[in-house]
Amino acid sequence: QSVLTQPPSASGTPGQRVTISCSGSNSNIGGYYVHWYQQLPGTAPKLLIQRNNQRPSGVPDRFSGSKSGTSASLAISGLRSEDEADYYCSAWDDGLSGWAFGGGTKVAVL
Amino acid sequence: QITLKESGPMVVKSTQTLTLTCTLSGFSLSTSGVGVAWIRQPPGKALEWLALIYWNDDKRYTPSLKSRITITRDTSKNQVVLTMTNMDPVDTATYYCAQNRQVYGLDVWGQGTTVTVSS
Repeated sequence: QSVLTQPPSASGTPGQRVTISCSGSNSNIGGYYVHWYQQLPGTAPKLLIQRNNQRPSGVPDRFSGSKSGTSASLAISGLRSEDEADYYCSAWDDGLSGWAFGGGTKVAVL
Repeated sequence: QITLKESGPMVVKSTQTLTLTCTLSGFSLSTSGVGVAWIRQPPGKALEWLALIYWNDDKRYTPSLKSRITITRDTSKNQVVLTMTNMDPVDTATYYCAQNRQVYGLDVWGQGTTVTVSS
């Protein structure tokens, strides 16, 4: 049972916009930055969005993040086949005194 | 270029102690604000944060495993070591270490090392 709640799957056709939600509480998302990680099949996770909505160098601007209250979301616009991956949200959690992760959302490009 | 690399046994037996090493390159754990975290991922499952050590030797552990895990650092070797006692088949997972820059998240990850616990 993950501390943060994500839908298990999402899908879209090439070029479409896909949005992934991440729900938490005041002890995590409500009080701290949200970060998103992309995990391509068979590889290690990679930081995709930091500090709610900032893209690290090299991340395409098709990826965007937002946060409101105790929820956050990741949007992928202009969906491409190479975006097929698992996506995880994460935030610091006071109860853990450490990093909380969502259960992950598998994105399929139809 | 910042890299992290995990190393350790691929297989351990139930009840044994697992020791994993994360070797850092391109940065030092002595640098203010820097930390290194361990995260694991059982096959087909989600990421789980395990432990975190900061530049000032402050340490954090996930509550559910706190009695079994220890994180330490060797600044002379630029390494971080995770020890987990009393291993069980449910601990079978890929174990990752990552650079922790707190408000910037876990911004660089190692490739991971797969550990199988046999009964």
